[in-house]
Amino acid sequence: QVQLVQSGAEVKKPGASVKVSCKASGYTFTSYDINWVRQATGQGLEWMGWMNPNSGNAGYAQKFQGRVTMTGNTSISTAYMEVSSLTSEDTAVYYCARGLYGGNSLAYWGRGTLVTVSS
Amino acid sequence: QSVLTQPPSASGTPGQRVTISCSGSYSNIGSNSVNWYRQLPGTAPKLLIYVVNQRPSGVPDRFSGSKSGTSASLAISGLQSDDEAKYFCATWDDSLKGMVFGGGTTVTVL
Repeated sequence: QVQLVQSGAEVKKPGASVKVSCKASGYTFTSYDINWVRQATGQGLEWMGWMNPNSGNAGYAQKFQGRVTMTGNTSISTAYMEVSSLTSEDTAVYYCARGLYGGNSLAYWGRGTLVTVSS
Repeated sequence: QSVLTQPPSASGTPGQRVTISCSGSYSNIGSNSVNWYRQLPGTAPKLLIYVVNQRPSGVPDRFSGSKSGTSASLAISGLQSDDEAKYFCATWDDSLKGMVFGGGTTVTVL
């Protein structure tokens, strides 16, 4: 079965960077894009971007361009999402997700990684 | 401020039908298919409806989706207590070149 296992919670200081991992299993990692979505406590879902593990290409939401980098390591079927110049507004749960048949219907989700930004 | 507009809450009694609206524009709902997600507190979202009206395996047919112009709707028929959750609509936006979500609708079973 398809599984996406994310790294554990992180606490960072303002201005720092954080890198969250998402290890995929149960399917061919290079066949599907990985999307990243975040959710601040009590708030809605916010799409951050996508990464194609086969080509390495990535696309980012305008809000995050220049501050977010999405990469993958095909040898270990793991996707990464790094956010730099963190502020308190980046405190959120970060999810990786995969489409049902590719595309934007996100059928498989990781459990989420809580990133807390606090001085 | 979300690109897609949903009512913050909806409610009904057991057995009733509840409908949640999702309003957008030509560049998103008007041009692309809509997905619906359900989220319970402390858990990841779950895909409920994809490509407007398709249900993933395991989702009961009490859940249905539709789209007309720049709006979409999710209907829950035969409302049950375990339908209490937050529901989000989502689609691709051609102008923003990204996925956009509604703000979410919390469904309460009275």
